[in-house]
Amino acid sequence: EDQVTQSPEALRLQEGESSSLNCSYTVSGLRGLFWYRQDPGKGPEFLFTLYSAGEEKEKERLKATLTKKESFLHITAPKPEDSATYLCAVRQGGSEKLVFGKGTKLTVNP
Amino acid sequence: DGGITQSPKYLFRKEGQNVTLSCEQNLNHDAMYWYRQDPGQGLRLIYYSQIVNDFQKGDIAEGYSVSREKKESFPLTVTSAQKNPTAFYLCASSENMNTEAFFGQGTRLTVV
Repeated sequence: EDQVTQSPEALRLQEGESSSLNCSYTVSGLRGLFWYRQDPGKGPEFLFTLYSAGEEKEKERLKATLTKKESFLHITAPKPEDSATYLCAVRQGGSEKLVFGKGTKLTVNP
Repeated sequence: DGGITQSPKYLFRKEGQNVTLSCEQNLNHDAMYWYRQDPGQGLRLIYYSQIVNDFQKGDIAEGYSVSREKKESFPLTVTSAQKNPTAFYLCASSENMNTEAFFGQGTRLTVV
């Protein structure tokens, strides 16, 4: 059973059309949830770290939120340059491992 | 410029040959990791190291080996025992095992 599930697998938006990406997790004792952006053929770029339910982080058009079972990455008025695959990862208590979801591929059309 | 450097960017090898992928960081991070990424799959952990001269197997360590002789360096060897070595390999580092990881730009290995 996957510990980290991201949805949808792919999302197409028009420029300016706001939406949200979901990351649900089943690990116990969460010791951090991390969001990354990955462009084709490149390494993931770190975006946010969230540690506890209710926490929110913002950066430009992106806002990440965390509950006890899931995290959302809200994208407000996206631009074509926001097109990328967005990855979510979690670290659970008692483990040093960082477990990744399969990602959401976002395409923003002009 | 602080960061993580992986080399080479592209690597081609014949089946049956061992190959070593380089990863160097100048962020003074204690922890380092190797991940493998295949189309349609998430990043899968191969090996990780919390401190110099110590490393642990990840979820898919079979057919791979690593060393951590220096804090800055964490090379990965893909051996001939790895059944399906063609993939995109990513190295990462973090200040410790509780903080976010930063990634290099990856090495795409093709075995023919």
